[in-house]
Amino acid sequence: GAVVSQHPSWVICKSGTSVKIECRSLDFQATTMFWYRQFPKQSLMLMATSNEGSKATYEQGVEKDKFLINHASLTLSTLTVTSAHPEDSSFYICSSGPGGSPLYNEQFFGPGTRLTVL
Amino acid sequence: AQSVTQPDIHITVSEGASLELRCNYSYGATPYLFWYVQSPGQGLQLLLKYFSGDTLVQGIKGFEAEFKRSQSSFNLRKPSVHWSDAAEYFCAVAGVGNNRKLIWGLGTSLAVNP
Repeated sequence: GAVVSQHPSWVICKSGTSVKIECRSLDFQATTMFWYRQFPKQSLMLMATSNEGSKATYEQGVEKDKFLINHASLTLSTLTVTSAHPEDSSFYICSSGPGGSPLYNEQFFGPGTRLTVL
Repeated sequence: AQSVTQPDIHITVSEGASLELRCNYSYGATPYLFWYVQSPGQGLQLLLKYFSGDTLVQGIKGFEAEFKRSQSSFNLRKPSVHWSDAAEYFCAVAGVGNNRKLIWGLGTSLAVNP
């Protein structure tokens, strides 16, 4: 099956700094990637849809200036948490799937990135 | 609006017992349904999916799910649970149109007693 990797798997940073999380499709071209955040014991919350070569589409309530998404190639999307604060601490997960009819494609998930902001 | 409901927040079963996790959905057309499992601190793994055809779907790790249109349900089952099945289970439905978004249930946390 398709493989999606994330880096780093965990990161600790100081409040006010920015953190970049990478999401890569290892064996397929990803025209679309999804970014989620997950709080402990909760479900996934879709943050944004990342489209290669164009601007990301953010879900309602997600600050696009805070969570910068770049999808410059068919295998890499990055999420940058700018001026991170403790409330941004969460588990961030990306997903994607191979091309073709999207409705028939399942999503493959990265292993997630645990962000802790001190 | 589309929605997915997992009525059971937490379930505890004994090892070797049978398991059924409930999932109900609200969707205006034939849905595309998924069950994912998430072990502690891990990403999500697809257990099984339903797109069309046979309403009883077989998945990995001995899981199966049955799509019942009349009940708007897609319950996950396993005849004999193993301790390693302890995890969080999420039901999801594919979104409207061509945007590939998944609508997620809140999840069911499964604990397995030895």
